[in-house]
Amino acid sequence: EVQLVESGGVVVHPGGSLRLSCAASGFTFDDYGMHWVRQAPGKSLEWVALISGDGGSTSYTDSVKGRFTISRDNSKNSLYLQMNTLRVEDSGFYYCAKGYRSGLYNYFDPWGQGTLVTVSS
Amino acid sequence: DIQMTQSPSSVSASVGDRVTITCRASQTISTWLAWYQQKPGKAPKFLMFAASNLHSGVPARFSGSGSGTDFTLTISSLQPEDFATYYCQQAKSFPLTFGGGTKVEIK
Repeated sequence: EVQLVESGGVVVHPGGSLRLSCAASGFTFDDYGMHWVRQAPGKSLEWVALISGDGGSTSYTDSVKGRFTISRDNSKNSLYLQMNTLRVEDSGFYYCAKGYRSGLYNYFDPWGQGTLVTVSS
Repeated sequence: DIQMTQSPSSVSASVGDRVTITCRASQTISTWLAWYQQKPGKAPKFLMFAASNLHSGVPARFSGSGSGTDFTLTISSLQPEDFATYYCQQAKSFPLTFGGGTKVEIK
């Protein structure tokens, strides 16, 4: 069974930094692109970033470019999101999600349970 | 960026009803569209990809159609476990974007 377990969400002040982690199991991790998707409470979903299976290619939504960095350690079956210069509007649940399958990596399946990031003074 | 617009934002329905949700893209996305179901306090679940392909294990009462800019998700006979919020997502180009969601509520 594929499992994704996020961790690292906490309360942080504006301008602060945070690193989220996602532990993956149940599939050949380096065969799949991986995503971060976030959701502010009561709001819709927002894609944040994608990293290819080998880690050589990344893509970000504009609002986080230059502040967030997606990375992975395939030897540890782990995905990360380094979040710097955090803003109040970065608050919400952060989900890691596996790219569905070869050629269809821009679909998300499955999703982790999410970790809550709160940016507040 | 491709904007995704869902309607209605909420719908009240009874068990057994047929429910249709629409999703419109601001530019053509061919059939690069997915649907997700989210229940309160839970992560989204993948329902459908390429506009009309059911993900494994998804009941056949769910169906999808459309191409280009206009898409629909239909639940043919609403079941108690289907009360949730549904999101469409375009997979054509970055940034990947979602619709605003449609909440299916109990009448």
